[in-house]
Amino acid sequence: GAVVSQHPSRVICKSGTSVKIECRSLDFQATTMFWYRQFPKQSLMLMATSNEGSKATYEQGVEKDKFLINHASLTLSTLTVTSAHPEDSSFYICSARGGGGAGTDTQYFGPGTRLTVL
Amino acid sequence: AQSVAQPEDQVNVAEGNPLTVKCTYSVSGNPYLFWYVQYPNRGLQFLLKYITGDNLVKGSYGFEAEFNKSQTSFHLKKPSALVSDSALYFCAVRDIQAGTALIFGKGTTLSVSS
Repeated sequence: GAVVSQHPSRVICKSGTSVKIECRSLDFQATTMFWYRQFPKQSLMLMATSNEGSKATYEQGVEKDKFLINHASLTLSTLTVTSAHPEDSSFYICSARGGGGAGTDTQYFGPGTRLTVL
Repeated sequence: AQSVAQPEDQVNVAEGNPLTVKCTYSVSGNPYLFWYVQYPNRGLQFLLKYITGDNLVKGSYGFEAEFNKSQTSFHLKKPSALVSDSALYFCAVRDIQAGTALIFGKGTTLSVSS
């Protein structure tokens, strides 16, 4: 299957700082990327959907000024958690879906980023 | 609105026995249905999907799932469980017409004992 990478895999930061997480589709062009958040022993909650070159669409309850999403190219999306606080600590997972061929229907997931805010 | 229900938090089976992880869904149109597996502190790995065609779908690692439109179900099955199958399993749905992101069930922990 298609490969999605995510970096960093783990980050610890102080409260009030900003953290950037990168998501890359390595072997296909991702016209649409998604960002999910997962709390311990819970399901994935969709945060936002982004299409290359356009603004992200955020789910209800997700602060767009706090979780900045940039989908600058067909292989790269970034999530920046601004002014992070302890309640932002979570497992963040990106996902990508291609614009044609085998990748069209299937969302492929990155390995996740464990964010801990002290 | 789309939704997915996984009624069991945990499924326990002995190695070598068949396993079933249940999933029911709700969409306004026709569904795309998926199963993913997640190992601790890892992302999700794609197992299989139903888009159209044969209701019985075969996927990775010997898993299969059967789409049942009348029961709006998409249960995951494997004829003979392995200890290495122990993980967290997620069912997900997407409305074909809506073209939206996948919506996930809460997940079912599968525990296979030796």
